[in-house]
Amino acid sequence: GAVVSQHPSRVICKSGTSVKIECRSLDFQATTMFWYRQFPKQSLMLMATSNEGSKATYEQGVEKDKFLINHASLTLSTLTVTSAHPEDSSFYICSAKAGDYGYTFGSGTRLTVV
Amino acid sequence: GQQLNQSPQSMFIQEGEDVSMNCTSSSIFNTWLWYKQDPGEGPVLLIALYKAGELTSNGRLTAQFGITRKDSFLNISASIPSDVGIYFCAGQRLSGNTPLVFGKGTRLSVIA
Repeated sequence: GAVVSQHPSRVICKSGTSVKIECRSLDFQATTMFWYRQFPKQSLMLMATSNEGSKATYEQGVEKDKFLINHASLTLSTLTVTSAHPEDSSFYICSAKAGDYGYTFGSGTRLTVV
Repeated sequence: GQQLNQSPQSMFIQEGEDVSMNCTSSSIFNTWLWYKQDPGEGPVLLIALYKAGELTSNGRLTAQFGITRKDSFLNISASIPSDVGIYFCAGQRLSGNTPLVFGKGTRLSVIA
């Protein structure tokens, strides 16, 4: 089946620094990947749609200059949280659609900004 | 962003009992999906529904795509402790590589 690998699973960073999260499709090509954010005891909220070879489409209220998305290949999308602040602490999850396999999710990244 | 109306928000049940949860929307969806999320993990697909009226089973799980295409339910029969987790419904409004819309989740606790 389709597997999406997300790395790192946990990261702690200092306020003001940047953090990069990787999302890889291991056994399929994904022209489109999705980035979600999840606060404790809440649902997944779509942040942006990542398109291979083109700019990402951001949801209303999501700052594109703060959450940089790069989808340079058919198997890798990255989300960089720039100048992170404590309020950016959250669980970030990526997803990709793989043809007949439907939507597959990564295992998530727990970001803590101190 | 848009979210689906999922209920109940949480459930506490005895082991062996059956469970039912549902999602509704004011919009039509082409696809309904049910996921389970364990703490600190990403959602894992349980059942996918692609046609209005479709009834699909996966072991002790059964889900249906509402005939109006605006709702779906998930039933779990004979619950066991490992069923504990958060269950999310998700819908895809348009075909192709469009994002999913999620429900708020149902937190299931199973008492042995």
